[in-house]
Amino acid sequence: DTEVTQTPKHLVMGMTNKKSLKCEQHMGHRAMYWYKQKAKKPPELMFVYSYEKLSINESVPSRFSPECPNSSLLNLHLHALQPEDSALYLCASSQVIRADFQPQHFGDGTRLSIL
Amino acid sequence: GQQLNQSPQSMFIQEGEDVSMNCTSSSIFNTWLWYKQDPGEGPVLLIALYKAGELTSNGRLTAQFGITRKDSFLNISASIPSDVGIYFCAGQADTGNQFYFGTGTSLTVIP
Repeated sequence: DTEVTQTPKHLVMGMTNKKSLKCEQHMGHRAMYWYKQKAKKPPELMFVYSYEKLSINESVPSRFSPECPNSSLLNLHLHALQPEDSALYLCASSQVIRADFQPQHFGDGTRLSIL
Repeated sequence: GQQLNQSPQSMFIQEGEDVSMNCTSSSIFNTWLWYKQDPGEGPVLLIALYKAGELTSNGRLTAQFGITRKDSFLNISASIPSDVGIYFCAGQADTGNQFYFGTGTSLTVIP
């Protein structure tokens, strides 16, 4: 079992809906990440939070809005998504040692389908 | 972003055979990682490499940090059916920076 927990595992939503993806880790990691992954492709980085502050935003459309309420939780708020946003959304966490991101540990993802 | 190319793109092998795959970059990396992803799950970290020339094993898996710092290799000995999955390399160019993922190698093991 993974130590990074993502909910829900599956989500189907219409283009006008608002929903949120949730991620939780209790490993004491101070960096948390959102990735988007299409079938048979590598994960693509979306956002990185370091010490609860957004440190990397890979030019992600504003219909994706991340939030890091505390060091254990990471949310991704979704609004007005497009069909091409259907994908597996992966959360990951890692230690930060002297400002260096350490290897990431991934959750099992949320499979998102946009109708 | 950085481009990491993995080869081969896919492999079909008989159970018991050894497997070799590699990952190359146009840039120098300071850290190389190897992940395995099963269908419907997230990537699982297999091996982390931190020094040029480093050779690290994890059971039947052995990975090497290339001496040029632009490549890395993963070998699996005596493959078994549960080795099936997609293997991704990931590299970190500078300390503090994000990891970039390779294009993946899909492994199928025929019993």
